[in-house]
Amino acid sequence: SQQGEEDPQALSIQEGENATMNCSYKTSINNLQWYRQNSGRGLVHLILIRSNEREKHSGRLRVTLDTSKKSSSLLITASRAADTASYFCATGGYSGGGADGLTFGKGTHLIIQP
Amino acid sequence: EAGVAQSPRYKIIEKRQSVAFWCNPISGHATLYWYQQILGQGPKLLIQFQNNGVVDDSQLPKDRFSAERLKGVDSTLKIQPAKLEDSAVYLCASSFDSGTPHEQYFGPGTRLTVT
Repeated sequence: SQQGEEDPQALSIQEGENATMNCSYKTSINNLQWYRQNSGRGLVHLILIRSNEREKHSGRLRVTLDTSKKSSSLLITASRAADTASYFCATGGYSGGGADGLTFGKGTHLIIQP
Repeated sequence: EAGVAQSPRYKIIEKRQSVAFWCNPISGHATLYWYQQILGQGPKLLIQFQNNGVVDDSQLPKDRFSAERLKGVDSTLKIQPAKLEDSAVYLCASSFDSGTPHEQYFGPGTRLTVT
């Protein structure tokens, strides 16, 4: 079963606007990761936020994490056509040396209109 | 640095046939994963290797799927016999076990179509 659920499932915005997508998960986590997938570059890691962090930035990306609500958000500022892709949140990824496979949500499909 | 390599990129087979996928992880990455991604869904973990040992295969349909990682480097995932519902993209990923939460590096995937 899928741990994370992204919202919305699809999002279409104009180039230059900001895009926000959300992720909710069910069980307690050690960290949460966001990945991007497009046909050109495959599945690529964007950012990792640990459970003791509330916010993290990387270039035009801003991720927040609220462990009390079991939710995370990804903000992409000043969107570009190249940001058109599917975005997935993933949980798991570290358990102190044991099984650390990721559990992905269904993703948000983002379309940037020129 | 070279990324995760996978082959073939595409494969079409008939149901009940067998198929094998190959993965070469990033050099120095001890951990290797196989994921299955069905159209419209996120990837689902099938199996995780640490060097040449299996760490987690709880979601691997063992009646038809098998995987090995001989010598702790390359890995092969096999399906025998294939079913229509096995149509998906099979992604291989690797990671460097740093002892802290870390990202995974994904290959381009093998798109399997079962007819």
